[in-house]
Amino acid sequence: DIQMTQSPSVLSASVGDRVTLNCKASQNINKYLNWYQQKLGEAPKLLIYNTNNLQTGIPSRFSGSGSGTDFTLTISSLQPEDFATYFCFQHNSWLTFGSGTKLEIK
Amino acid sequence: AVQLVESGGGLVQPGKSLKLSCSASGFTFSSYGMHWIRQAPGKGLDWVAYISSSSGTVYADAVKERFTISRDNAKNTLYLQLNSLKSEDTAIYYCARNLLGAPGYWGQGVMVTVSS
Repeated sequence: DIQMTQSPSVLSASVGDRVTLNCKASQNINKYLNWYQQKLGEAPKLLIYNTNNLQTGIPSRFSGSGSGTDFTLTISSLQPEDFATYFCFQHNSWLTFGSGTKLEIK
Repeated sequence: AVQLVESGGGLVQPGKSLKLSCSASGFTFSSYGMHWIRQAPGKGLDWVAYISSSSGTVYADAVKERFTISRDNAKNTLYLQLNSLKSEDTAIYYCARNLLGAPGYWGQGVMVTVSS
């Protein structure tokens, strides 16, 4: 099975900061990496699919990059509504979520 | 707009069964694969099962042989039959519409609690 490791597990940042969240796969997953945002008490929401494609309706301050085993989600300028937990997800071989990065207010 | 509404959750004893439903609207249900994903209280997300538009199925190892995913296209409804339930199956269960091989649009979830 492919393991997905996210880092850091908790990230403290301020409104306006540029932040980068990391996701590493235990083997090559090509481009098949999605990012989801989950706010407390809500269902997850798809932000980015297949590494760098912005889902409809998602603000352009979110972007994704990477290939193979190493991937990143970047938020260019944090907004108050962005403080949430972010999960990566691979669908190259079987289907696996990362353990999440909680983005909290500094 | 895509809308997914789960139902059927509740409190159930270990070893018993439960059937979850996911009512879909706002899209041509029969044309899309569908996923079930779960989240134990305070924990991360676990993918559970997938059913294709042609009703092919795939399961996570943790639920294989105990859970069954199915669909009724005439009723625009997805199902998850949960058998031989264990305490570790306690979670919020989400249904999601497939988007390019992964969960795209998600429902709000339904809680399943397995306890004596």
